[in-house]
Amino acid sequence: RKEVEQDPRPFNVPEGATVAFNCTYSNSASQSFFWYRQDCRKEPKLLMSVYSSGNEDGRFTAQLNRASQYISLLIRDSKLSDSATYLCVVNLGGYQKVTFGTGTKLQVIP
Amino acid sequence: NAGVTQTPKFQVLKTGQSMTLQCAQDMNHNSMYWYRQDPGMGLRLIYYSASEGTTDKGEVPNGYNVSRLNKREFSLRLESAAPSQTSVYFCASSDGLGGGYGYTFGSGTRLTVV
Repeated sequence: RKEVEQDPRPFNVPEGATVAFNCTYSNSASQSFFWYRQDCRKEPKLLMSVYSSGNEDGRFTAQLNRASQYISLLIRDSKLSDSATYLCVVNLGGYQKVTFGTGTKLQVIP
Repeated sequence: NAGVTQTPKFQVLKTGQSMTLQCAQDMNHNSMYWYRQDPGMGLRLIYYSASEGTTDKGEVPNGYNVSRLNKREFSLRLESAAPSQTSVYFCASSDGLGGGYGYTFGSGTRLTVV
């Protein structure tokens, strides 16, 4: 099993739709979790941290499920500007123990 | 508020040539990193510097060397470039252990080795 796994299939959704991404991780000792956004041919940018209690930032909600070892990102009322690749990142707690997922590409269609 | 600045943005090298990628951050972060990103793979850590004066190998260090010149600057050197080093390289910095508070990335260097 990969350390961090994301659905490689692209998501194509209409404007205004709600879309959810999941990311599974293999090591139950993982300590911190993040979602990054990466626009085409640009650098990744931190979108939000993910906490056990869940966190919300506007239209974005991130959740952590330790029992099932996955994190999720929910985007409500999708905008064209949300089109990007979303990367999940899992940190085991050391400099060498940060693992990036391969990303899930979102295309929001007018 | 430049954040993390990388140079150059693009480079084409011939096999066997050498080059240095430069990175500087102005956020007073202690930790700096070099990653490479290849299609279908997540970002992979090449080298990191937990603090000024220290450097350590990451997941894929072979063929690379680094220098933490001061707190702001962290360079990556390819001594003898190989086609397998064709990739997009990102420098990053963070204020927490291993990016525990999230990374700030530079805009990347697209390197092609022919």
